[in-house]
Amino acid sequence: EPEVTQTPSHQVTQMGQEVILRCVPISNHLYFYWYRQILGQKVEFLVSFYNNEISEKSEIFDDQFSVERPDGSNFTLKIRSTKLEDSAMYFCASRGTGVNEQYFGPGTRLTVT
Amino acid sequence: AQKVTQAQTEISVVEKEDVTLDCVYETRDTTYYLFWYKQPPSGELVFLIRRNSFDEQNEISGRYSWNFQKSTSSFNFTITASQVVDSAVYFCALMNNNAGNMLTFGGGTRLMVKP
Repeated sequence: EPEVTQTPSHQVTQMGQEVILRCVPISNHLYFYWYRQILGQKVEFLVSFYNNEISEKSEIFDDQFSVERPDGSNFTLKIRSTKLEDSAMYFCASRGTGVNEQYFGPGTRLTVT
Repeated sequence: AQKVTQAQTEISVVEKEDVTLDCVYETRDTTYYLFWYKQPPSGELVFLIRRNSFDEQNEISGRYSWNFQKSTSSFNFTITASQVVDSAVYFCALMNNNAGNMLTFGGGTRLMVKP
């Protein structure tokens, strides 16, 4: 069964460093999302992406964040200068046309020290 | 603005007991979608069910059943004859029918099923 994949599974970085989190959505899906979950808290929406542009973004998704679909398969989230409070699990999700359920990847645990 | 509330932060049951997880939502839209996701200890988010706002028919899938009541803005989830493998955090989520189609999650209910 097709699934969303994410790499790396765990990333440790120092405050102020740039990180890129990678996702490979399900192959025929056209809608892509990033969410984050701070440890023990609820899942929060960051950004949605369709047709090579951002459809919607939350207040969390400030100028330090950016997304890109560099090729036909990858969907990336970049954090330009990480802060301690960026430590969280980051989930990528994708959705097909005509369906509403989003399928999530296994997540990347980002630890900023 | 939309909001999802899961009032039960943690529930503990003994195996074979039935358990109901509550979900209440708020939205101004007339068309919306409701979801339940399971997050086992391994951390991934597993899609369980989607319900459209115009379809109030309840659904049963094996030991799982869902009760959608528009009049009370609730979408409750019942596990019958719970098993240890059901132990997880369960999230209820709401999606409106707009361009972004973002999911708004509730705070989650941690279910612990003891043998």
